[in-house]
Order: sequence, then structure tokens, then C-alpha cells
Amino acid sequence: QSALTQPPSASGSPGQSVTISCTGTSSDVGAYDYVSWYQYHPGKAPKVIIYDVNKRPSGVPDRFSGSKSDNTASLTVSGLQAEDEADYYCSSYAGSNSLMFGGGTKVTVL
Amino acid sequence: QVQLQESGPGLVRPSETLSLTCAVSGYFIGSGFYWGWIRQPPGKGLEWIGSIFHSGYTHHNSSLKSRVTISVDTSKNQISLKLNHVTAADTAVYYCARLVTLTRGVYHWYFDLWGRGTLVTVSS
Repeated sequence: QSALTQPPSASGSPGQSVTISCTGTSSDVGAYDYVSWYQYHPGKAPKVIIYDVNKRPSGVPDRFSGSKSDNTASLTVSGLQAEDEADYYCSSYAGSNSLMFGGGTKVTVL
Repeated sequence: QVQLQESGPGLVRPSETLSLTCAVSGYFIGSGFYWGWIRQPPGKGLEWIGSIFHSGYTHHNSSLKSRVTISVDTSKNQISLKLNHVTAADTAVYYCARLVTLTRGVYHWYFDLWGRGTLVTVSS
């Protein structure tokens, strides 16, 4: 199992939007609508911000949105805020009760 | 409020067995859900290690399967991870998390609650 591919970094100014990609294969991202995204601030527990490709858990701002096209999923953070500076990880169901994660993307708010 | 807390030795010698526990508070693990272990080596991404249902039914990452044992103890409300024959490549922050797979008849696959993780270093 190879990890899902994410860009190592992304950045934007406050108020702007940033989009992070998560590329897998036809056996994971492309096969199932079970892509999730996690926000990680160092020293804290990771937090799910998107599940099932585009669903937001209660309490997650609608500035966070998810989508998927073929083997690539994307997370968009609109209206960037200082507190959005964090590491973001994607995950996908990969069949046979297994899961895969991406390498993570560090988002910097300029 | 459901909380997960990982614990275990922070240093393990090469070739020995890494043993961690995850204490769950605020929720009885026997009530349902899968529970998983995930790790993050320094400077790298997350890696799913495996998951266990409250009944004891387990799934493992095929790359680690032969070395991993995941168990559940409902009397202590905790899950455990054992990884044997460790090497420096097993140095990582280890997280436990609750895996949501089915709610109200709808399938999902995501971790809705995580612990803060515990760093395990493999070194002599």
C-alpha cells in the first residue's frame, strides 16, 4: 500500500482560498466515496474536518469543503484565517477493511 | 465527552516488542465502533496500523500484519497494540482513534475521535 499523494505545502493570505489535492488510485480514492480530511495542530489530537468526500462534522466551519474527481480528492479552505494554519491529512478507504493516509500538507497563512 | 489517552514506554530497544494501551473515557467501547491505531514517523505522514471491533474482530495494514497484535479489553475500557521485532523505522508518534464505519444504516470510514498520541522511540 502506497500512501496517498499530497503536496507538502500550501499557503495563502488571510481571506484567500487554498486547495489541497490528495491523489490515489482507482483502488482507493477513485473506488470509494470514503475520503476524509484531518486537521492537525502540533501537540493536539487530529480533528476530522471532512468525511465521505464532502460532509462536514458538526461544528466545522463551512469554510472547509471537500470534493473528488476520479482518483483525486481535494480540500478547499475558503476565507483563510490564522487558526487554519495547520497540517492537513487526507485518508481513503482502500477496500478489504483497510485505510490509507496521505503524506500531509502544511498550510501556512501568510 | 469521549476522550482517548495513549500510554506506554517511550523507548523500546530494537528487536523487542512495543506495547501501548489506549484508555477510553466517556464511552463504553463494548457499545460498538471500531477502534484504530495510526502512527506518524518523524517528518512523515500518517500510517494506518490496524483496527479492532469491540467484539475483537481485527483488520491490519498488510505491511505490518505479521508483527501487529491489536486487542480490546472491555473490562478496562481500553484497546492495546503490540508490535514485535521493532526497528528504528518503527519510531513514531502512535495514535489511537475511534473509527466510524456505520451510522443509521449508512456506511462511512473515518476517525471521528483521536488521542493526542504518544512518541515511541526505538533505540538501543
